[in-house]
Amino acid sequence: GAVVSQHPSWVICKSGTSVKIECRSLDFQATTMFWYRQFPKQSLMLMATSNEGSKATYEQGVEKDKFLINHASLTLSTLTVTSAHPEDSSFYICSARDYTNTGELFFGEGSRLTVL
Amino acid sequence: DAKTTQPTSMDCAEGRAANLPCNHSTISGNEYVYWYRQIHSQGPQYIIHGLKNNETNEMASLIITEDRKSSTLILPHATLRDTAVYYCIVSHGGATNKLIFGTGTLLAVQP
Repeated sequence: GAVVSQHPSWVICKSGTSVKIECRSLDFQATTMFWYRQFPKQSLMLMATSNEGSKATYEQGVEKDKFLINHASLTLSTLTVTSAHPEDSSFYICSARDYTNTGELFFGEGSRLTVL
Repeated sequence: DAKTTQPTSMDCAEGRAANLPCNHSTISGNEYVYWYRQIHSQGPQYIIHGLKNNETNEMASLIITEDRKSSTLILPHATLRDTAVYYCIVSHGGATNKLIFGTGTLLAVQP
């Protein structure tokens, strides 16, 4: 079946640095990808919708200048956490749906960010 | 998108069927019912989805009531590896439609 891959799986960084997470659809094209964040023992929270070739759409309360999203091709979206702080430590998960498919949304394995 | 209500947690004996309920009383006519599960520290895994008719695949069966206000996910023979948080989500189909996750049901399969 369709696969969505994230990289890196985990990352540790110092406070104030920026971290980039990649999300790739491996065997299908995705005009739209979604980024979620999950804190321990909580559900997934949708952060933004990544649109190929145009600006991302952010959910209410998510800072677009803090979480930069780029969707430069039909198989790659990136999330950059800028000037990361300890409160940004979380599990970040991306997802994508084959643009010809009205069915399931495929999720990546997730990227665990720890900011020291 | 319509909101769903699920029990916080459930237990099931290994080898028995696990029946996970979900209420979605405000579902609209063109919204699908999706089920995903998340094993600890992994991305969610698609299980099944349906619109009106009952559905079955190699993982599970989905029973949707005739009025579509509730559904049940059935894992026919639960194993320890089925221990996970199960999410019921309703959403329009289509490549650009997002899925909003609720709190889900923690299914604990007991040996």
